[in-house]
Amino acid sequence: GAVVSQHPSRVICKSGTSVKIECRSLDFQATTMFWYRQFPKQSLMLMATSNEGSKATYEQGVEKDKFLINHASLTLSTLTVTSAHPEDSSFYICSAWGLENTGELFFGEGSRLTVL
Amino acid sequence: RKEVEQDPGPFNVPEGATVAFNCTYSNSASQSFFWYRQDCRKEPKLLMSVYSSGNEDGRFTAQLNRASQYISLLIRDSKLSDSATYLCAVNKGAGRRALTFGSGTRLQVQP
Repeated sequence: GAVVSQHPSRVICKSGTSVKIECRSLDFQATTMFWYRQFPKQSLMLMATSNEGSKATYEQGVEKDKFLINHASLTLSTLTVTSAHPEDSSFYICSAWGLENTGELFFGEGSRLTVL
Repeated sequence: RKEVEQDPGPFNVPEGATVAFNCTYSNSASQSFFWYRQDCRKEPKLLMSVYSSGNEDGRFTAQLNRASQYISLLIRDSKLSDSATYLCAVNKGAGRRALTFGSGTRLQVQP
């Protein structure tokens, strides 16, 4: 079945630094990937939709200059949290729909970011 | 009002019990519905899709009520391994769009 892989699974960084998270579709091509964020005991909140070869679409309230998304190939999307601050500490998860006939939205393993 | 609402629980039930969760959604144009399971500090994994006629997968039964805009999940004969957070998810339109998630209902099955 389709698999979405995310890296790194955990990252700790100092305030003011940038962190890049990679999301790969391993056995299928994904023209679109979705980036979610989940704070403790809260819902998954959609941050942005990553589109291969074009600009990402950001949800209201998500700063596009802070959360840079690049989807340069059909199997890789990256999220870069720029100038991270402690309030950016969260669980970031990417997802992509699998093959056309599966009807399942697959998730990466998630990346837990802690900003000190 | 949240787009997708769930009772956060926790639901504490003994092994073997039957437990039911409900989820309401606000957008009447929503097209497809899902239940996901999320273990602590892990990514969500699809438990089952929810079909208009209702569907069953082993001990799990999902129902959709479009008129009242809610979906339900019934778990029979609860196992310790069923302990997790159950998220309902809604596709607000047609096609392969991002899903909107509820905040989840936590289930703790006790021996």
